[in-house]
Amino acid sequence: GQNIDQPTEMTATEGAIVQINCTYQTSGFNGLFWYQQHAGEAPTFLSYNVLDGLEEKGRFSSFLSRSKGYSYLLLKELQMKDSASYLCAVLDSNYQLIWGAGTKLIIKP
Amino acid sequence: DVKVTQSSRYLVKRTGEKVFLECVQDMDHENMFWYRQDPGLGLRLIYFSYDVKMKEKGDIPEGYSVSREKKERFSLILESASTNQTSMYLCASSAGTGTTDTQYFGPGTRLTVL
Repeated sequence: GQNIDQPTEMTATEGAIVQINCTYQTSGFNGLFWYQQHAGEAPTFLSYNVLDGLEEKGRFSSFLSRSKGYSYLLLKELQMKDSASYLCAVLDSNYQLIWGAGTKLIIKP
Repeated sequence: DVKVTQSSRYLVKRTGEKVFLECVQDMDHENMFWYRQDPGLGLRLIYFSYDVKMKEKGDIPEGYSVSREKKERFSLILESASTNQTSMYLCASSAGTGTTDTQYFGPGTRLTVL
């Protein structure tokens, strides 16, 4: 079967750095997405990785290792507004998105 | 900017009622999707469509049907609503493959079935 694993919840301090991990087992791979979802709102696109390595976009970076079936989202200089759920999703060989359950990130002052 | 709109943010219906959820996108996207989202579970795909009048079952199509008569509009129908269909329903659209598979979501409809 297809599976995406992420921690259910993480807590971090304002101004710090946090890394949210995602491991996947899917039938084929055509890219990995990270989305941010604030409570009661729709998911919004953060990043897309299809090649191994680190993609940096401001305070957010996303890393991919296809051989390990592993990705992480790195958030720097955390702000209170970063409190949200972060969803990992993999595009499989049929170009279907397989979604993880999401990681709820709590930022404390 | 891609805009995806859904007909209602909140909806309360009674068991057995027929329910229509409408979704409209303004970016000429080929692909449209309906998901439901429940606490502790990932987004679960109900139905999707790659073209007008085309529909494909997702992971949990039972109890639902869809309609795509125009490219910009994708409707989700609950033929006879049941309490286990109480959920957040999210519509999304995307343009194609690779980076263009980025899905853009509507604001969601929180449906309560009493």
